[in-house]
Amino acid sequence: QKEVEQNSGPLSVPEGAIASLNCTYSDRGSQSFFWYRQYSGKSPELIMFIYSNGDKEDGRFTAQLNKASQYVSLLIRDSQPSDSATYLCAVAPSGGSYIPTFGRGTSLIVHP
Amino acid sequence: DTAVSQTPKYLVTQMGNDKSIKCEQNLGHDTMYWYKQDSKKFLKIMFSYNNKELIINETVPNRFSPKSPDKAHLNLHINSLELGDSAVYFCASRPRQERGEKLFFGSGTQLSVL
Repeated sequence: QKEVEQNSGPLSVPEGAIASLNCTYSDRGSQSFFWYRQYSGKSPELIMFIYSNGDKEDGRFTAQLNKASQYVSLLIRDSQPSDSATYLCAVAPSGGSYIPTFGRGTSLIVHP
Repeated sequence: DTAVSQTPKYLVTQMGNDKSIKCEQNLGHDTMYWYKQDSKKFLKIMFSYNNKELIINETVPNRFSPKSPDKAHLNLHINSLELGDSAVYFCASRPRQERGEKLFFGSGTQLSVL
């Protein structure tokens, strides 16, 4: 059973702080790693993907991947109230049947 | 133009009924999916389908069946609805079998079984 684990939260941070979201996965064959953001009542939208060990930065977002530890994280710098949402970690294998497996999501609350 | 569209957005029905949810994508994508999201936001794969194969999550009851009349459509049929089927169902599509390709989600169908 392929599993993706996330702390459900809520994670509460003040505006302007760094929010750190974490995810672990069980399938060592995983090759692609994604962070989706989902606002209440809306569909998930991709904010970051990463497939190489290390960091990947895009604006205020940084994804970090450590395949040896089977760990992927998302850092949100200068958090804004508009970042308040559920963040879903998703993991996919290479080739074959490409079926992303999602974690349960972490609820982030950024308070003014 | 909506890339992945689902209908209906809301579906309220009685236990035991049979219902369908339609999904269409106008992106020319090869693969389509159905995910179920429960009240705790857990997004669980139900089916993956492209023009070559259907992959079924073994935990999905056989009351659920995907129907694909063509590459742009993947509808979800549910027979003998149960209370536990209440959830949000998302259709999604993906262009090709390449690493890093994101999923394009529909807006979801909120199913309530009474």
